[in-house]
Amino acid sequence: QLLEQSPQFLSIQEGENLTVYCNSSSVFSSLQWYRQEPGEGPVLLIALYKAGELTSNGRLTAQFGITRKDSFLNISASIPSDVGIYFCAGRPETSGSRLTFGEGTQLTVNP
Amino acid sequence: GAGVSQSPRYKVAKRGQDVALRCDPISGHVSLFWYQQALGQGPEFLTYFQNEAQLDKSGLPSDRFFAERPEGSVSTLKIQRTQKEDSAVYLCASRTQGIGFFGPGTRLTVL
Repeated sequence: QLLEQSPQFLSIQEGENLTVYCNSSSVFSSLQWYRQEPGEGPVLLIALYKAGELTSNGRLTAQFGITRKDSFLNISASIPSDVGIYFCAGRPETSGSRLTFGEGTQLTVNP
Repeated sequence: GAGVSQSPRYKVAKRGQDVALRCDPISGHVSLFWYQQALGQGPEFLTYFQNEAQLDKSGLPSDRFFAERPEGSVSTLKIQRTQKEDSAVYLCASRTQGIGFFGPGTRLTVL
């Protein structure tokens, strides 16, 4: 039920777009993207529930793969306050209510 | 309250001491989760409550870890005879309608 996330680190210029990927060999009933800042808990950005679902939240867009084993998160026109660690987290089909988190992508946005 | 609160925010313990970490979930949230986050890693599931019932404790790493939620609101995670490997951030989350809200975490350091 491991969720592999890439890239692990991402450093971009303000205004650039970026994409973070998440994939697994396991099927998830839902998949969520979180952002975590230092000293804080993860904050939910986008939640995906259906295969192929494409959802936007402002400058953020995420899609749940057709097989429900993968997802991507795209951030457009990045700004310095986008910095943080981005996690994908899936609810495995066979494991009830728990979330399985990826390893995280640490984002730096240079002004 | 407005969000999930956790106390203490920081805890330093000597190896062998017992510690108790408190979580105050969002009022009315039935589901409550505990996660452990090691430095540089994603959160890992520890245990799950629905009201006062502990439905899943499969993530607790040893019998030194114990969690309770006696009245279906506040929860306490207790770690007995702490070891250095217990050093981590302990996150609590409460959930409604499939959406999880995380607290800021308690950073535990075992010396």
